[in-house]
Amino acid sequence: AQKITQTQPGMFVQEKEAVTLDCTYDTSDPSYGLFWYKQPSSGEMIFLIYQGSYDQQNATEGRYSLNFQKARKSANLVISASQLGDSAMYFCAMKRSGSARQLTFGSGTQLTVLP
Amino acid sequence: EAQVTQNPRYLITVTGKKLTVTCSQNMNHEYMSWYRQDPGLGLRQIYYSMNVEVTDKGDVPEGYKVSRKEKRNFPLILESPSPNQTSLYFCASSFSQGLGEKLFFGSGTQLSVL
Repeated sequence: AQKITQTQPGMFVQEKEAVTLDCTYDTSDPSYGLFWYKQPSSGEMIFLIYQGSYDQQNATEGRYSLNFQKARKSANLVISASQLGDSAMYFCAMKRSGSARQLTFGSGTQLTVLP
Repeated sequence: EAQVTQNPRYLITVTGKKLTVTCSQNMNHEYMSWYRQDPGLGLRQIYYSMNVEVTDKGDVPEGYKVSRKEKRNFPLILESPSPNQTSLYFCASSFSQGLGEKLFFGSGTQLSVL
């Protein structure tokens, strides 16, 4: 069975600094996808970034980048130049190739950006 | 505007009173699913549907029913709600089951069962 682990229930970062949110996963499938979603206090789920297991380069989307270390089975989210609006819950999720079950989520990390 | 619409946004009910949470998407997506979100547990899949009349259980299906009579709609039914079903519920859809297909989420339904 696949599993996603986010070991940081809460994180604090100073505005304008970078922060790394940890995510490790467990799967025996060679083909899979990794996602990060943001959930602000309003509750909606916002897609941030995607990394495929066969992608050669780490994914980047604006201030978000994914530090993908396949051998260590980690997919950490890096947010550069943190902004107050980045304060939210962040979820890591994984999808197996060929699975109709869609995403398996981690327990989330609550990020607070301090002014 | 492309969106997944859930209703109601908030719902308070009592144990045993049947309820339905509606979900509709306007993106012609084949895949739809329901998740529940609980503190410390993240989102867990309840049911999913690969197309009309094709549904299957997710990780926590007990106490829930779904139906997919039309492509755009995927209602979640609680026949006899219990307090342990108090949770934040999300409907989600995606165009296909491709690996990189992201999920589009509804705005959530906060359910309280007294």
